[in-house]
Amino acid sequence: NAGVTQTPKFQVLKTGQSMTLQCAQDMNHEYMSWYRQDPGMGLRLIHYSVGAGITDQGEVPNGYNVSRSTTEDFPLRLLSAAPSQTSVYFCASSYQDRRRQETQYFGPGTRLLVL
Amino acid sequence: DAKTTQPPSMDCAEGRAANLPCNHSTISGNEYVYWYRQIHSQGPQYIIHGLKNNETNEMASLIITEDRKSSTLILPHATLRDTAVYYCIVRSLYNAGNMLTFGGGTRLMVKP
Repeated sequence: NAGVTQTPKFQVLKTGQSMTLQCAQDMNHEYMSWYRQDPGMGLRLIHYSVGAGITDQGEVPNGYNVSRSTTEDFPLRLLSAAPSQTSVYFCASSYQDRRRQETQYFGPGTRLLVL
Repeated sequence: DAKTTQPPSMDCAEGRAANLPCNHSTISGNEYVYWYRQIHSQGPQYIIHGLKNNETNEMASLIITEDRKSSTLILPHATLRDTAVYYCIVRSLYNAGNMLTFGGGTRLMVKP
């Protein structure tokens, strides 16, 4: 299993540009999520999905869109990049066990710089 | 989900046990305690979780007080590779699909 993969690893954008961060998992997990991590800070939840076709907002959703057309993929779209979106972006997937407990598996991250 | 409080940083000598405390005084009966760690620049890694009993796995032990208001993560023989930020998180059993809320964590520095 590759686990959770993210592309690209690094990206530089100009203000106003749009782009899509890719995330894929091969563990057949129901749940997927996107976090951002700013320097010296903990992770903050952007959007999450509890299954194909179902998404919801997290703590900091503004400026981002997501969709979940398949179980495996959960892309994050930046509509019009702003310098405040300079961050490291982590994708995660998880499932609930029979005790409804959930372990998250994280990807390696995408480092985004918006000029 | 309940909030947690952790010291911002700790040091530990290589080969000694690292004991990382976490306070979660507002935890409710259906909330589990989770620990993750993040080694520099990498994605967070799951370590262990528990409800009220002490738990042990190949990475660490988790000691939860009887009143469940605090817990301690124990790395029995810390190595330099254990240098990381450690996050203590509580999560409700009934927040199906609700993702984890990360606080500031404890930056553990293991020194030779």
